[in-house]
Amino acid sequence: DGGITQSPKYLFRKEGQNVTLSCEQNLNHDAMYWYRQDPGQGLRLIYYSQIVNDFQKGDIAEGYSVSREKKESFPLTVTSAQKNPTAFYLCASSQGFWETQYFGPGTRLLVL
Amino acid sequence: GDSVTQMEGPVTLSEEAFLTINCTYTATGYPSLFWYVQYPGEGLQLLLKATKADDKGSNKGFEATYRKETTSFHLEKGSVQVSDSAVYFCALSDLKTSYDKVIFGPGTSLSVIP
Repeated sequence: DGGITQSPKYLFRKEGQNVTLSCEQNLNHDAMYWYRQDPGQGLRLIYYSQIVNDFQKGDIAEGYSVSREKKESFPLTVTSAQKNPTAFYLCASSQGFWETQYFGPGTRLLVL
Repeated sequence: GDSVTQMEGPVTLSEEAFLTINCTYTATGYPSLFWYVQYPGEGLQLLLKATKADDKGSNKGFEATYRKETTSFHLEKGSVQVSDSAVYFCALSDLKTSYDKVIFGPGTSLSVIP
């Protein structure tokens, strides 16, 4: 079955630590996206990528970094510069840029 | 800029009640409109979509009609079930104006009680 996988489901970060969230898709989609969701709120765009080796900042990119070395993978690193990282992180992909998006199951990041 | 407004929740209904979740949008172009559903602890799933005026999207008993004259895309279901309890997001995508994002509404939480 085609889909998007995110791992881990839960992730704990210590102060000053960088952590990386995995996102993999086997839908052969060109575009991929990272969103942050805080309790009771909508989605905010962190980064997006139209094609391999290209990515752009979204609305809240500060304290985050990404890479897109392979079409199927779009990992997100939450750096120590992100002072309030506790949130639910959602990865999505679409066939064409900003076409219908398909979401992964999410990763919940908690700070110890 | 483009925007999406949804009715505030939470919405609580009894099983088999009729559901309406209002969604209105502001767009200078001709956006595609979407409803996504998020079950507790999960990611978003596409529920239905419409790409042009007067289109009706439907799925799993849910329906929404793209109304350009009222800039609305209200979600309806004739008889809700407990399993419909979730958060519902209205969204738009307009490549001509919002070239760098899909715009999501804030979400409406629905609780269906037996």
